[in-house]
Amino acid sequence: AQTVTQSQPEMSVQEAETVTLSCTYDTSESNYYLFWYKQPPSRQMILVIRQEAYKQQNATENRFSVNFQKAAKSFSLKISDSQLGDTAMYFCAFMKLYTGNQFYFGTGTSLTVIP
Amino acid sequence: NAGVTQTPKFQVLKTGQSMTLQCAQDMNHEYMSWYRQDPGMGLRLIHYSVGAGITDQGEVPNGYNVSRSTTEDFPLRLLSAAPSQTSVYFCASSSPSIQTSGAYNEQFFGPGTRLTVL
Repeated sequence: AQTVTQSQPEMSVQEAETVTLSCTYDTSESNYYLFWYKQPPSRQMILVIRQEAYKQQNATENRFSVNFQKAAKSFSLKISDSQLGDTAMYFCAFMKLYTGNQFYFGTGTSLTVIP
Repeated sequence: NAGVTQTPKFQVLKTGQSMTLQCAQDMNHEYMSWYRQDPGMGLRLIHYSVGAGITDQGEVPNGYNVSRSTTEDFPLRLLSAAPSQTSVYFCASSSPSIQTSGAYNEQFFGPGTRLTVL
């Protein structure tokens, strides 16, 4: 079975500063995807960034980037130039490929951006 | 495209009642899944389907039934609701084929259904 661990239940950051959210996972799979999803109070799950395990290069999407350490099974999210709209729950997710694209989620980190 | 739609948005049931949560997608995705979200536990997989006529159990399937008669629809049935099934339910879809979806393997989520069982 796959497990995903987010050890920071809550975090806060000053507007315009940088914050890093941690995620570790455990799997015996060699081919998988990792994701960070954002869930604002609207409840909608919004994809922030994804990483294919076979790619060594870390994914980036504008102000969001990841530090993917495959051997250590670590997948942290860095948010640069934090904005008030980044306030949300952030979920790390592991996706097992092909067998229905099953997702395994961490318990989430509640991020608050302080003006 | 409407993406993934779920109905209803909110529902209150009494213990023992049955109901069906509806989920539909218009992206021709092969894969569909149901998750429940509980405080402090993230999202957990209930059931999933890899195509019409094919379903399988996820992490927490007890108390729920699914069927997939068409590619578009994947309803979730609660046969006899229990207070432990109070949760927010999300439906999601994805495709392993880049021909079907430009977003290869990306999972699209519906807006969720908040269910309360009294």
